[in-house]
Amino acid sequence: EVQLLESGGGLVQPGGSLRLSCAASGFTFTNYALTWVRQPPGKGLEWVSSITRDGDNTYYADSVRGRFTISRDNSKNTVFLQMSSLGAEDTALYYCARTLRGSASDYWGQGTLVTVSS
Amino acid sequence: QSALTQPASVSGSPGQSITISCTGTSSDVGGYNSVSWYQQHPGKAPKLMIYEVNNRPSGVSNRFSGSKSGNTASLTISGLQAEDEADYYCSSYTSSSTRVFGGGTKVTVL
Repeated sequence: EVQLLESGGGLVQPGGSLRLSCAASGFTFTNYALTWVRQPPGKGLEWVSSITRDGDNTYYADSVRGRFTISRDNSKNTVFLQMSSLGAEDTALYYCARTLRGSASDYWGQGTLVTVSS
Repeated sequence: QSALTQPASVSGSPGQSITISCTGTSSDVGGYNSVSWYQQHPGKAPKLMIYEVNNRPSGVSNRFSGSKSGNTASLTISGLQAEDEADYYCSSYTSSSTRVFGGGTKVTVL
């Protein structure tokens, strides 16, 4: 069974940093790209970042480029999202998702909540 | 990276068919066959319903179908059922090698 388990969310002050993790199981991790998608409370989905199977290529939304860094550890079946210079606009539920070649995401975790507030 | 345009809400009676549109540009929806659709029930993670414009993942009902014409993609739900009441989002690959979502459509079963 494919499982994605996010962790690392919490309350952080404006300007602070946080590192999210997503532990994957039930599939061959190195066969898939991974994606982070976020959803502010009561709002829609926003694509944040994606990383290729080998980790050599990374992609970011304009809203997070330069502040967020996606990475993966294929030996630990885990993908990370390092977030810095956080602002209120980054408050959201952050989902990790397995991504197919055509960019669709077929399995999603349950999300980890990030709240940026003083 | 402007969001794709979806209607805020669509409604229908049980058994009817409804269609949700998703309008982008030639740099996203119109330029690639990489449009996907997601269903999200309250408090739940999104679920992939359609990928690559018109393909259904295993386990998704054949009442769900997708299509595309020019810069607009569409999701059709036929034989509408109470369990179909949810939010639906489209997504597309873009010419910047990024992805973009639509604003979401709330489907109400009357």
